Amino acid sequence: GQNIDQPTEMTATEGAIVQINCTYQTSGFNGLFWYQQHAGEAPTFLSYNVLDGLEEKGRFSSFLSRSKGYSYLLLKELQMKDSASYLCAVRDLTAAGNKLTFGGGTRVLVKP
Amino acid sequence: GAGVSQSPSNKVTEKGKDVELRCDPISGHTALYWYRQSLGQGLEFLIYFQGNSAPDKSGLPSDRFSAERTGGSVSTLTIQRTQQEDSAVYLCASSLREMSHQPQHFGDGTRLSIL
Repeated sequence: GQNIDQPTEMTATEGAIVQINCTYQTSGFNGLFWYQQHAGEAPTFLSYNVLDGLEEKGRFSSFLSRSKGYSYLLLKELQMKDSASYLCAVRDLTAAGNKLTFGGGTRVLVKP
Repeated sequence: GAGVSQSPSNKVTEKGKDVELRCDPISGHTALYWYRQSLGQGLEFLIYFQGNSAPDKSGLPSDRFSAERTGGSVSTLTIQRTQQEDSAVYLCASSLREMSHQPQHFGDGTRLSIL
């Protein structure tokens, strides 16, 4: 099975930086995804990591360390619209197909 | 846009009734997934389709839940004899292929409320 942990909630100020950590335990790691989900809306894809290192996409970056079972999502220059839940999801090589196991999500509140 | 479409968007029904939820994936996506999300919780995997077959049904909570997919496209999730604990948002996602880096694209979900 898989165990994915991320903080429940974080608060940050507009214009600041927030780092959301995700730790996981899996028998056959084959990729990690980050999704953003605004309240009452569908999750939307943010980033994908399968190799160690940092992937940067504009204000958002995602980092992966496979040996540590650790990833983080970095949100820079926070905007009010970034208030949302951020979901870490891990794909297991032994699973049948592209099945993802999701963490419980981190609710980020951006304050003025 | 041609995203994942789910219907109905909201469904309220009485305990004991059957419900059917529909998902239209993105055209050309061969993989289709059903998830359930309770209020304030993460996503719980239910079932996955590759084409019309379901290699992984491990997440279905009980035998009251079933799903099918026809023509490699539309999928329906059926819940029989609904219970109050079935109340949740049911999300459908599709991806271009299985076992790839392709992300899953989600529909807006069906909010199911069992009275």
